[in-house]
Order: sequence, then structure tokens, then C-alpha cells
Amino acid sequence: ETGVTQTPRHLVMGMTNKKSLKCEQHLGHNAMYWYKQSAKKPLELMFVYNFKEQTENNSVPSRFSPECPNSSHLFLHLHTLQPEDSALYLCASRGTSEAGELFFGEGSRLTVL
Amino acid sequence: KNQVEQSPQSLIILEGKNCTLQCNYTVSPFSNLRWYKQDTGRGPVSLTIMTFSENTKSNGRYTATLDADTKQSSLHITASQLSDSASYICVVSSTSGTYKYIFGTGTRLKVLA
Repeated sequence: ETGVTQTPRHLVMGMTNKKSLKCEQHLGHNAMYWYKQSAKKPLELMFVYNFKEQTENNSVPSRFSPECPNSSHLFLHLHTLQPEDSALYLCASRGTSEAGELFFGEGSRLTVL
Repeated sequence: KNQVEQSPQSLIILEGKNCTLQCNYTVSPFSNLRWYKQDTGRGPVSLTIMTFSENTKSNGRYTATLDADTKQSSLHITASQLSDSASYICVVSSTSGTYKYIFGTGTRLKVLA
């Protein structure tokens, strides 16, 4: 248990569906991240939020829409996805120490049919 | 270009044997280097962090080394167990105003009985 909870753990959706991934952290951190993990590739940064404000968007297609209502919650809204978007989506929060450790959730395994 | 390279890509060893995983990086400015363990279908969990001034750090059967001059790190696993089967990811942090995390592609370790 890392203190970062992601739901759902598994999601299968068609290309015309709309779904959302949810992330909640109970660590009192102020920065939250979305990463995409595909096979044999490094983790790919998608979005960063600091104190609810988006501070980084790594040229992510608009079919991925993040939302951060407060420092503890982060969402990733999905619509009209493509099969190549199938991946493990990881949420992380950044610790407040200078070392800036990332604490990851268990991930949401997304399959787009 | 900031980059983290890990070798080997995959490794199979027998239970009880030792192994060493390698991480080479070209990241500037350097802040710290972490090794994460990621079980299949789970999120990464931090094993150890190395700062610029640290050469060796142990966490149970895991020992990490850092050579800041050659920009190399290694993770040595002693007396491997079946539960060590996982991907091991090297992550280098760069903090020049904002936090940047550069991820390696990981080494997939399989320990056989």
C-alpha cells in the first residue's frame, strides 16, 4: 500500500466510449502525475499538476482530458481512444522532501478495442 | 539529451544466485537516482535512492552503487528469491527549478526455482 489508489484496475472500452480513470492520494502531497506505460518503453509523462494547477502537458492528444479538483484527486477522462492507447496508466504523487520521491498507484490497465 | 539506459533488458537466474543490473545515464543537472521494483501488473515501488555524494546503499538483499564520475549505477541482488521476479527501473531526477524524472526502460528479472 503506497497511499495512492487508482480505480479501476482494469478497463476495456470501445473506441467510441467515454470513460474515466481516478486517482486518489492519502499522503498530503501537492503534486500529482499521470504516466503511460507501454511494453518495452520507458514511462511516458503525460500531465503534471501542482496545487491543482496543470503545470505540464507533454503534448498529449486531446482525447485524454485530465482533471484535478483538489490536491488529493486526479482524473483522466478518456474519449474516442485508439487501440494504440492500450497501456498501463500510472498515477503518482510527489513527496514533499527535497528528494522528490514519486509514489505510484497500482495502475489502471486499459484495453481499447 | 537526457537519457537513462539499462542493461540487460531481461535476465533469468536460479533461486539463490546473485545478479547485478546496470544503469548508465546522461542527465544534467543530476539530483538523485532511484531504483524502483515493479511487479507485473502493479505500480513501481522505490527500493533505494542515491544522491551525488553516496557510493553505496543497501536495503536488505538489495545493494545499489553510484559512480557519479562515470554516471553509472548498479543494483546488486544477493541470494535471489522467487519474489524478486519483477522489472527493475532506474530513474534519474534532475531539479533545475522544476522536478524532472528520466526513466530507463527497465530490466525484467525472472528467478526460477
